[in-house]
Amino acid sequence: KAGVTQTPRYLIKTRGQQVTLSCSPISGHRSVSWYQQTPGQGLQFLFEYFSETQRNKGNFPGRFSGRQFSNSRSEMNVSTLELGDSALYLCASSVTSGTAYNEQFFGPGTRLTVL
Amino acid sequence: GIQVEQSPPDLILQEGANSTLRCNFSDSVNNLQWFHQNPWGQLINLFYIPSGTKQNGRLSATTVATERYSLLYISSSQTTDSGVYFCAGKNAGGTSYGKLTFGQGTILTVHP
Repeated sequence: KAGVTQTPRYLIKTRGQQVTLSCSPISGHRSVSWYQQTPGQGLQFLFEYFSETQRNKGNFPGRFSGRQFSNSRSEMNVSTLELGDSALYLCASSVTSGTAYNEQFFGPGTRLTVL
Repeated sequence: GIQVEQSPPDLILQEGANSTLRCNFSDSVNNLQWFHQNPWGQLINLFYIPSGTKQNGRLSATTVATERYSLLYISSSQTTDSGVYFCAGKNAGGTSYGKLTFGQGTILTVHP
């Protein structure tokens, strides 16, 4: 079974631009979570989608948004990019959502550089 | 939210040595996982271990949920074990859909 895939793998943008990242979960997984990793803040939760609905959101500004499609693929968008948005963005999928026992599997990440 | 503390932050070993990494949680967690981050940034699943003990080759993990900690054991370490190890868990109380809270990681360096 194919793993979680993310596109693009690398991205260079300039301040003020917007960016869209894509994540395809493992077949049969309906939950997709997004994380940001930076050297200073570590790994931080952005949001989680299940059945096309955002179920949870981390402490990030409204410039960070996402959505999920009926095939469970997910996209996240960052508008008006700032230098501090430079990070590795990871998505993870799991079979379902909620606080029940759900192992998450991560994609290879998208490394975003904002100049 | 929960706090996750990993220790030690850095660990340097000679090949063949054994090591223990620890993860403490400030509150009850479920969905406890251990990961190894490869040089390209991908998080590789090592263990999904909400409680009990599991073994996979030279690696094993133990979670004592009632005392809110987990341990990762690496035996006979190899240079390929080098990298960053993370533990993460979901808050067992309230609604934590999808949200894994990560520790700051342990940077392991294994010298030949």
